[in-house]
Amino acid sequence: ETGVTQSPTHLIKTRGQQVTLRCSSQSGHNTVSWYQQALGQGPQFIFQYYREEENGRGNFPPRFSGLQFPNYSSELNVNALELDDSALYLCASSLGPGRGYGYTFGSGTRLTVV
Amino acid sequence: SQQGEEDPQALSIQEGENATMNCSYKTSINNLQWYRQNSGRGLVHLILIRSNEREKHSGRLRVTLDTSKKSSSLLITASRAADTASYFCATIMDTGRRALTFGSGTRLQVQP
Repeated sequence: ETGVTQSPTHLIKTRGQQVTLRCSSQSGHNTVSWYQQALGQGPQFIFQYYREEENGRGNFPPRFSGLQFPNYSSELNVNALELDDSALYLCASSLGPGRGYGYTFGSGTRLTVV
Repeated sequence: SQQGEEDPQALSIQEGENATMNCSYKTSINNLQWYRQNSGRGLVHLILIRSNEREKHSGRLRVTLDTSKKSSSLLITASRAADTASYFCATIMDTGRRALTFGSGTRLQVQP
């Protein structure tokens, strides 16, 4: 059974550029959530995908968007990057979108915007 | 916004001692989960306690939940240097958004 895989592990982008982060969910998991973690803080919920549809969204602007594919893998896209977007981006998968599940997290993508 | 707050923010103990971390939250919850994070990398799920449970054990971990006080505690017994990490509590609300809401974490340092 494979865990959650994220790519790339590190990324440096220039302000104003666009970035795509990728996530492969754990085998058997159909729900993927994305979180942003600033240095020294707890993760903040960006959005969740279930059956290729967005299933909930946190307080992030529309320039944060995502996709889920039929194999349950997912992408996070961020347009018009800002310096404050520098953070660790974490993907988590779960058995379903219900409330009673634990989450399996990937190791994250460290994004630096300069 | 953060749902919960962990206390203390940082904790340093000797190997073999017990470590206790506390978490408070604000809204009615379906369950509360504890996660460990090593060196700013991915989070590892430790334990999930449902709102109708008061105590749960997993190996050297003991979690309590007091919904009347909207608080939880994580006890790590007989700590090891490998337990050095940041520990986060996260809640899933009873209604509305079905997503984890994290606290700010406790940084635990276990001295060998």
